Amino acid sequence: RKEVEQDPGPFNVPEGATVAFNCTYSNSASQSFFWYRQDCRKEPKLLMSVYSSGNEDGRFTAQLNRASQYISLLIRDSKLSDSATYLCVVNWAAGNKLTFGGGTRVLVKP
Amino acid sequence: ETGVTQSPTHLIKTRGQQVTLRCSSQSGHNTVSWYQQALGQGPQFIFQYYREEENGRGNFPPRFSGLQFPNYSSELNVNALELDDSALYLCASSPPVHPKVNYGYTFGSGTRLTVV
Repeated sequence: RKEVEQDPGPFNVPEGATVAFNCTYSNSASQSFFWYRQDCRKEPKLLMSVYSSGNEDGRFTAQLNRASQYISLLIRDSKLSDSATYLCVVNWAAGNKLTFGGGTRVLVKP
Repeated sequence: ETGVTQSPTHLIKTRGQQVTLRCSSQSGHNTVSWYQQALGQGPQFIFQYYREEENGRGNFPPRFSGLQFPNYSSELNVNALELDDSALYLCASSPPVHPKVNYGYTFGSGTRLTVV
């Protein structure tokens, strides 16, 4: 079993619609969680950290479920510019390596 | 404040050769990590350097080695290149470790290595 698993997609989303997807992780001792966005042939860029109580950043909402060991990302009012691969990232301990999922590809279409 | 810079941006090498990739960390960041990202996959952790010492290593063979310099810049060296080493190599820097806060890492734009 992979340490961090994601549905690779693609999720084809009409512009203006809402899309949500999850990521599961295997290590119950995981401490920190992030969503990164990666555009084609570019480096990953931090989208948002994920906090235990859930958090929102504009149209993006992240949730953490420690009991079931998954995190989620919801994108409201999708824009064409939201088309990208979204990488789920888990960290076991502060300062240590980041473990990435394989990414979920999102395609927003007019 | 400058970000993370990597060089070269692209590189083509022949199987069996050696390669050195370079990374300058973001100002104020003393920890550098290297990742390998094959096409269609998520980045895989190679190793991390903190205060010029290796501070964690992923599942990569010894022919992958690295260095960190006093100015926190870093090198990734790969010996005896194999075709499967073809990938995007990403360097990430992060601030001094905080015991309770984990900062997201800042990635450089990567070096795309092709082994033929």
